[in-house]
Amino acid sequence: RKEVEQDPGPFNVPEGATVAFNCTYSNSASQSFFWYRQDCRKEPKLLMSVYSSGNEDGRFTAQLNRASQYISLLIRDSKLSDSATYLCVVNRNTGGFKTIFGAGTRLFVKA
Amino acid sequence: GAVVSQHPSRVICKSGTSVKIECRSLDFQATTMFWYRQFPKQSLMLMATSNEGSKATYEQGVEKDKFLINHASLTLSTLTVTSAHPEDSSFYICSARDPASGGAWDTQYFGPGTRLTVL
Repeated sequence: RKEVEQDPGPFNVPEGATVAFNCTYSNSASQSFFWYRQDCRKEPKLLMSVYSSGNEDGRFTAQLNRASQYISLLIRDSKLSDSATYLCVVNRNTGGFKTIFGAGTRLFVKA
Repeated sequence: GAVVSQHPSRVICKSGTSVKIECRSLDFQATTMFWYRQFPKQSLMLMATSNEGSKATYEQGVEKDKFLINHASLTLSTLTVTSAHPEDSSFYICSARDPASGGAWDTQYFGPGTRLTVL
C-alpha cells in the first residue's frame, strides 16, 4: 500500500462543474499537507497548504481530517485552465525530513 | 515567490556518457535540496536528499555510485548520471526548501525539470 493514495482519475467534467479530490495517508507521523498542481511535462507548483481548520482560496477549498488521515480538495466553477494533475503531498520528519507525493489525480475540464 | 532553476532543461546523450544537471536556488539559501525522478504517467519519486557540506542521503534502490550528488554551496546542488543508459531516460526535478517558514510547513520550490533522453 502506498503511503499517500489518490484516485488516479481521470476526472472529466464540464466547465462550471464542482469536482472533489480525495487523498489518504498512512503514516500518522505526517506533519504537513499540501496540494500541488502539475501541468503536462512541467514541474509541480504549490496550489495550497492544507490545515485542520480547512482553508479556502477563491474557488479552491482544502480540508484535512487528521483522525481519519484524509485530505480533500474541492474545486468550484471549474475552468478549462484547471485541467492538470493534482498531487496530494505530505511531509514528515521521521528519520529525516521527507516529502511523499501521491500519484496524482488527472482532471480534464471540457467546454 | 522563491525561484529554483535547473540546467539544462533538456539533454539527449548517447548510452555510456555522463550527464550533469545543476539545481540552483536563486533568491534563498537552501541547506537541503531534493532530487526526484518522474517516469511518464507516474508520480515523482524521491531519489536522494542533498545536504550542503555533507553526503547525500539516497533512497532505497537508488545507486549512489550511479547518481552522484554534490551540494557544494547553499545555492547549488548537482546530480550527475554516470554511464547513462536508455532506462535512465526520465524527467529529473530538483526542489529546495525555503527555510523562511520554519519546520514541516516549509514550502518546497521545484525547478523546471530536466528531460533526459539516453539513446
